[in-house]
Amino acid sequence: DAGITQSPRHKVTETGTPVTLRCHQTENHRYMYWYRQDPGHGLRLIHYSYGVKDTDKGEVSDGYSVSRSKTEDFLLTLESATSSQTSVYFCAISEPWAGHLTDTQYFGPGTRLTVL
Amino acid sequence: TQLLEQSPQFLSIQEGENLTVYCNSSSVFSSLQWYRQEPGEGPVLLVTVVTGGEVKKLKRLTFQFGDARKDSSLHITAAQPGDTGLYLCAGDNNAGNMLTFGGGTRLMVKP
Repeated sequence: DAGITQSPRHKVTETGTPVTLRCHQTENHRYMYWYRQDPGHGLRLIHYSYGVKDTDKGEVSDGYSVSRSKTEDFLLTLESATSSQTSVYFCAISEPWAGHLTDTQYFGPGTRLTVL
Repeated sequence: TQLLEQSPQFLSIQEGENLTVYCNSSSVFSSLQWYRQEPGEGPVLLVTVVTGGEVKKLKRLTFQFGDARKDSSLHITAAQPGDTGLYLCAGDNNAGNMLTFGGGTRLMVKP
């Protein structure tokens, strides 16, 4: 199994509070991703990173920010949590290989966030 | 935005039956991946198909990529309770290591 951990695994918070989720990898992969998973929507990309301090927005980035100060850590912050951000959040990593047409993404175990 | 539509959304069958799950899009993908996700865990890659018309087999699972690389199917023969889970397709449009995921098919195989 790819070495990916997410913390916390479960969190309940109140509307308006800041929340930070952490993804930690031991694989030294360059790419890291944050997704949210909601019933009927599959996985939707929030933000991703292609290197230390290099990040970009995904499909559903509003209300979220990210930071990557080290290769192994990718943080997702909800500055002011809302009930619509109640979801399961997954981190993923990948490492592009020269000459490969596509890359595998390895997923962490997920964080279940409830915003009351 | 590229979309991937999966059907059916839910499928409940008896052990031993066959089934097919579909993943369709109006967009062309350079490759398509299938993942399986079990409750409380992250998705795990099953297979990647790259060439139009390609067929790959993984034991009782058969994956096919459409000739035009816009659609894919997953066929399971003689389903077993261990096949229960959420099946997700994901397309790579070759634009910066990003995948577009379908909404998923939740499969339950009853003993």
